[in-house]
Amino acid sequence: DQQVKQNSPSLSVQEGRISILNCDYTNSMFDYFLWYKKYPAEGPTFLISISSIKDKNEDGRFTVFLNKSAKHLSLHIVPSQPGDSAVYFCAATETSGSRLTFGEGTQLTVNP
Amino acid sequence: EPEVTQTPSHQVTQMGQEVILRCVPISNHLYFYWYRQILGQKVEFLVSFYNNEISEKSEIFDDQFSVERPDGSNFTLKIRSTKLEDSAMYFCASSVEGSSYNEQFFGPGTRLTVL
Repeated sequence: DQQVKQNSPSLSVQEGRISILNCDYTNSMFDYFLWYKKYPAEGPTFLISISSIKDKNEDGRFTVFLNKSAKHLSLHIVPSQPGDSAVYFCAATETSGSRLTFGEGTQLTVNP
Repeated sequence: EPEVTQTPSHQVTQMGQEVILRCVPISNHLYFYWYRQILGQKVEFLVSFYNNEISEKSEIFDDQFSVERPDGSNFTLKIRSTKLEDSAMYFCASSVEGSSYNEQFFGPGTRLTVL
């Protein structure tokens, strides 16, 4: 199942710099996209979302960009902090249902 | 802050045995979900549940799986006859509503090990 794909298994950035995590999807029926963060031994925690009618959503240090024509979304974290170090999952849902379809995840490491 | 809880945190069982994984969703949530993550693989949807009925299930959720809300607080996933390939992290989630625009809150997971 490659409907949602995160091509970078890991990303390392310096504290204070920008982290950019990428996600691609293939299913044209997806209309809502979410980012979840996961620490070891915990469940995924909702971070930010975006509807397909928008191209940008911002919440504090976190901004999600959606490019529907390219079927691509990205999560920007600025400035990055060591506490942001976690696995970040991109997920998507269709209008007709509520199941989340997840990407593989990207391990973000923010170095002090 | 309200949270989804799951018990046990780790379950070890022999192949062929039945297991029941338990979840307590957030109290005012009406929609409940199970997902699993096999080591090294993606988080995969298993089933969603609303009003005491399965509302959606994946191809993974075959006849050996069942879900139940036995009382007003618990939501359980039963695997009737476990297989080695059922070894995974199982996550319960809940949401206020079942539309695609609703955030799902996840529990910490139960690690199931089938020997």
